[in-house]
Amino acid sequence: QVQLQESGPGLVKPSETLSLTCTVSGGSVSNSNYYWSWIRQPPGKGLEWIGYIYYSGSTNHNPSLKSRVTMTLDTSKNQFSLKLSSVTAADTAVYFCARLPPATVTFDYWGQGTLVTVSS
Amino acid sequence: QSALTQPPSASGSPGQSVTISCTGTSSDVGAYNYVSWFQHHPGKAPKLMIYEVNKRPSGVPDRFSGSKSGNTASLTVSGLQAEDEADYYCSSYTSSHNFEVVFGGGTKLTVL
Repeated sequence: QVQLQESGPGLVKPSETLSLTCTVSGGSVSNSNYYWSWIRQPPGKGLEWIGYIYYSGSTNHNPSLKSRVTMTLDTSKNQFSLKLSSVTAADTAVYFCARLPPATVTFDYWGQGTLVTVSS
Repeated sequence: QSALTQPPSASGSPGQSVTISCTGTSSDVGAYNYVSWFQHHPGKAPKLMIYEVNKRPSGVPDRFSGSKSGNTASLTVSGLQAEDEADYYCSSYTSSHNFEVVFGGGTKLTVL
């Protein structure tokens, strides 16, 4: 059974960089059949796809986030990470990591999410 | 404002059926059969219920079914049970950029 778990600071100051890690168990981030993705949910709002990283290191992200997103992969730890720079209060959200099989364009396994609050 | 439009709430009594809609455009829901539905009990990991419009992953009860007509996809839950009470989100692939997935705003399903 594939499991994903997000981790990282729950509080980030405005203008700083949000950093989160997703640890995968029961599967490998080196598996070429999947993208590894980030999704967020601001309080009281719907879900927003942030982006994905592939085992090769290639990435793709939501154009609405412009160039603030950086995603990396650590195959030795079976983890992938998200960095979101120049955060504002609008980036306050529950952040989820998820597995994305590109053949079906869905998210078949998710982490339970972690709340990140942007506040001074 | 979410890219896909869902009703904020839906409800039904145990044993009844309820349908939740997800309206997009000709660039997402209407163009591709890559519509998914997720069940989310707050504080837990969202669960995939339907993918590719009407396919159920292993382990999802056949009480859950999906369909699509034009730019609107639908999730139907038949034989409602108390544990079906949750938030439901739809998603769709969109061709607006290289690769992008858009979501609906979510529907709170209440079992009366």
